Amino acid sequence: AQTVTQSQPEMSVQEAETVTLSCTYDTSENNYYLFWYKQPPSRQMILVIRQEAYKQQNATENRFSVNFQKAAKSFSLKISDSQLGDTAMYFCAFLRYSGGGADGLTFGKGTHLIIQP
Amino acid sequence: SAVISQKPSRDICQRGTSLTIQCQVDSQVTMMFWYRQQPGQSLTLIATANQGSEATYESGFVIDKFPISRPNLTFSTLTVSNMSPEDSSIYLCSVERPNSYEQYFGPGTRLTVT
Repeated sequence: AQTVTQSQPEMSVQEAETVTLSCTYDTSENNYYLFWYKQPPSRQMILVIRQEAYKQQNATENRFSVNFQKAAKSFSLKISDSQLGDTAMYFCAFLRYSGGGADGLTFGKGTHLIIQP
Repeated sequence: SAVISQKPSRDICQRGTSLTIQCQVDSQVTMMFWYRQQPGQSLTLIATANQGSEATYESGFVIDKFPISRPNLTFSTLTVSNMSPEDSSIYLCSVERPNSYEQYFGPGTRLTVT
């Protein structure tokens, strides 16, 4: 079984600053993906970014980028030029896959990110 | 990404009763999942529902308590049976975008059991 750990229950930064959310995971699997999801107060889960474990290059999506350290089993999310709309719970998630398909997601406990005006 | 709807969006139910939650997708998908999010907590996978086969339940979740139907490639239901206050949670369905392993979520159903 795999576990996902987010050690920062809450973070607060000023608008326009850069913030990094931490995530570590534990697995013996070789075939997996990692994701960051955002859940604003509306409770809608929004996929922010994904990383294939077999890729060394870190994924980026506009202001969002990850630092994927496979050997250290670390997967942090960096948000640049933070905006008020980035205020939300952020969940790190792990997905195992095989030839028969994929499992469901295993989530961390989440980090509540507050962007201050 | 697919457009996913859930009904009802919220409900207040009495203990001992059952509630069926519907999940509708605007395109055909093979893999659908049901998750539970207890108050202030993260999401936990309840089961995986593939069309044409029995749902696969995670440890701690049983079919008698959470029966699932998957009659076609665009629809699934989750029933929460014989409810107790401990079942008060948000229930979310998700679908996997084909050939991507990305999961997209419905808006959730907020269930309160009194």
